[in-house]
Amino acid sequence: DSGVTQTPKHLITATGQRVTLRCSPRSGDLSVYWYQQSLDQGLQFLIQYYNGEERAKGNILERFSAQQFPDLHSELNLSSLELGDSALYFCASSVEGVERTPGNTIYFGEGSWLTVV
Amino acid sequence: GESVGLHLPTLSVQEGDNSIINCAYSNSASDYFIWYKQESGKGPQFIIDIRSNMDKRQGQRVTVLLNKTVKHLSLQIAATQPGDSAVYFCAETLTGRRALTFGSGTRLQVQP
Repeated sequence: DSGVTQTPKHLITATGQRVTLRCSPRSGDLSVYWYQQSLDQGLQFLIQYYNGEERAKGNILERFSAQQFPDLHSELNLSSLELGDSALYFCASSVEGVERTPGNTIYFGEGSWLTVV
Repeated sequence: GESVGLHLPTLSVQEGDNSIINCAYSNSASDYFIWYKQESGKGPQFIIDIRSNMDKRQGQRVTVLLNKTVKHLSLQIAATQPGDSAVYFCAETLTGRRALTFGSGTRLQVQP
């Protein structure tokens, strides 16, 4: 158990709908990352937050958004869903951003399986 | 499912043999590298890391080698066990600049 909690574990929804994925980082971790893992793209970095503020943005679509709340949990909002959005979405956390402090390990959650039908 | 059924290169080894998993990274400026293991139905798990001022680092049964000249990273697993069967990803970053970028992954299958 990495200490990173993601909900829901599985989600099936229809095209055009909107879903919210939730992540609770490890206790004490200030940095949260979201990654998408799909069939043909591997692990793609979406976005990173540090202590409530956006720190880095990757290949995140405009239909997707995220935020980190004062209690440090994070939510990833996916809207106007398309079939191609079906993927495993991972949240990860670290004490500080690993890009700022090498050796600061990132811990991944078990992921949220999203199926768009 | 296993890593969402990615179409990955597969390395098949016999139990007890040594395994070598390779990774070519993209950014010559990257200065920090990590290997992750992803088992079926689980998130990536940290195995070992290395900074660019080193070319070799050893852990328990694992060794990471870094060749910056050709932008190549390898993970060596000694005495491979069935529990090592998983997908292995390398990841890179540049200190102070950006979040981790993952490679495409290699599936390791250990034959008993």
